[in-house]
Amino acid sequence: ILNVEQSPQSLHVQEGDSTNFTCSFPSSNFYALHWYRWETAKSPEALFVMTLNGDEKKKGRISATLNTKEGYSYLYIKGSQPEDSATYLCFLAGGTSYGKLTFGQGTILTVHP
Amino acid sequence: GAGVSQSPSNKVTEKGKDVELRCDPISGHTALYWYRQSLGQGLEFLIYFQGNSAPDKSGLPSDRFSAERTGGSVSTLTIQRTQQEDSAVYLCASSQQGGRAYEQYFGPGTRLTVT
Repeated sequence: ILNVEQSPQSLHVQEGDSTNFTCSFPSSNFYALHWYRWETAKSPEALFVMTLNGDEKKKGRISATLNTKEGYSYLYIKGSQPEDSATYLCFLAGGTSYGKLTFGQGTILTVHP
Repeated sequence: GAGVSQSPSNKVTEKGKDVELRCDPISGHTALYWYRQSLGQGLEFLIYFQGNSAPDKSGLPSDRFSAERTGGSVSTLTIQRTQQEDSAVYLCASSQQGGRAYEQYFGPGTRLTVT
């Protein structure tokens, strides 16, 4: 069983603040790491899929980094807006089962106007 | 274009009844996943289909759960003799290819309540 830990569990920030949160995973058997955003009453939406150590990806004000040797990924949001409020999930593809993904519990972000 | 659709959006059933949940993936997507999220829990992988290969059923919690994918497109998740612990949101996702490095597109989910 692969343990994927996300921290913090929840986060409250003010509009305009920059923030970041962490996804930690076993560094062995790594294949890919996914970040998704899940807004209430909507479907999870893919943000990034990263496969290479040192990967950095960016989409607008959101960016992510990956360190497979030490087993973590950071998600950064610059200048948070209320519409960024959502649960941010990381998924780890690892192990020997082709289709299986292991999920973190998510970080719930609330951005206050 | 059309995204992943799921039906029904909500299902309330009595304990012991069978239910079927349907997923229509994005046209042309070869991989299809089922997940569920129970109250207060994270997402849990259930089953994965890739093309004509045998599905990965390793996440199915018991033999009351089964799924099929007909013609490489629509998938049905069946839960027999439902139990209260089966209450959850069941999500379906598809991706263009089956590798785990491809982003997944999720449907809106089916909220199942077993009374």
